[in-house]
Amino acid sequence: DQQVKQNSPSLSVQEGRISILNCDYTNSMFDYFLWYKKYPAEGPTFLISISSIKDKNEDGRFTVFLNKSAKHLSLHIVPSQPGDSAVYFCAARLDFGNEKLTFGTGTRLTIIP
Amino acid sequence: ETGVTQSPTHLIKTRGQQVTLRCSSQSGHNTVSWYQQALGQGPQFIFQYYREEENGRGNFPPRFSGLQFPNYSSELNVNALELDDSALYLCASSRQGPSGANVLTFGAGSRLTVL
Repeated sequence: DQQVKQNSPSLSVQEGRISILNCDYTNSMFDYFLWYKKYPAEGPTFLISISSIKDKNEDGRFTVFLNKSAKHLSLHIVPSQPGDSAVYFCAARLDFGNEKLTFGTGTRLTIIP
Repeated sequence: ETGVTQSPTHLIKTRGQQVTLRCSSQSGHNTVSWYQQALGQGPQFIFQYYREEENGRGNFPPRFSGLQFPNYSSELNVNALELDDSALYLCASSRQGPSGANVLTFGAGSRLTVL
């Protein structure tokens, strides 16, 4: 049972344009959502997060939007840069203080110079 | 500030063997979690340790076991290896505190191949 889904395995975007990565979830009890970025041969690195009580969080070029009624979140990167090329994982947490994260299958983002 | 380091980076085992993977947590972190990432999948939670005790477990059989040591380093042990155990094993550490989300810091992983 895939509780966190990333339906686009890959995405290509021109440098300077906006990248939009999507994530859907099924469990309404998730209270916190995170995005991780992964380069080859490295572990995932934390990018940005959002609490379930908010609908938007922004950090520089990265913005995460949460639509609880649709059980959908998205990560916007603008402007996209070549260094943003990586695999992006959406993750969700069930309980405060519990480290267990449920990850999606990832989206490979390629920024075209 | 040192990050999370894992060893070995790659290893090959045969079915039925046992394997031990090691992890050194980031300085100041007191909680460690282990994840399994199969090819083409996202990481899956195996278990978490806090103060040397298991503090949460995912849907993995008992042949997956772990330890956390007083210096917060950790081991993942897998007995009776199966072909499906072939995966990247990720260790992540965090500092459990009274408020806020505990962001996990991941190591680069140990890639296990079972033949």
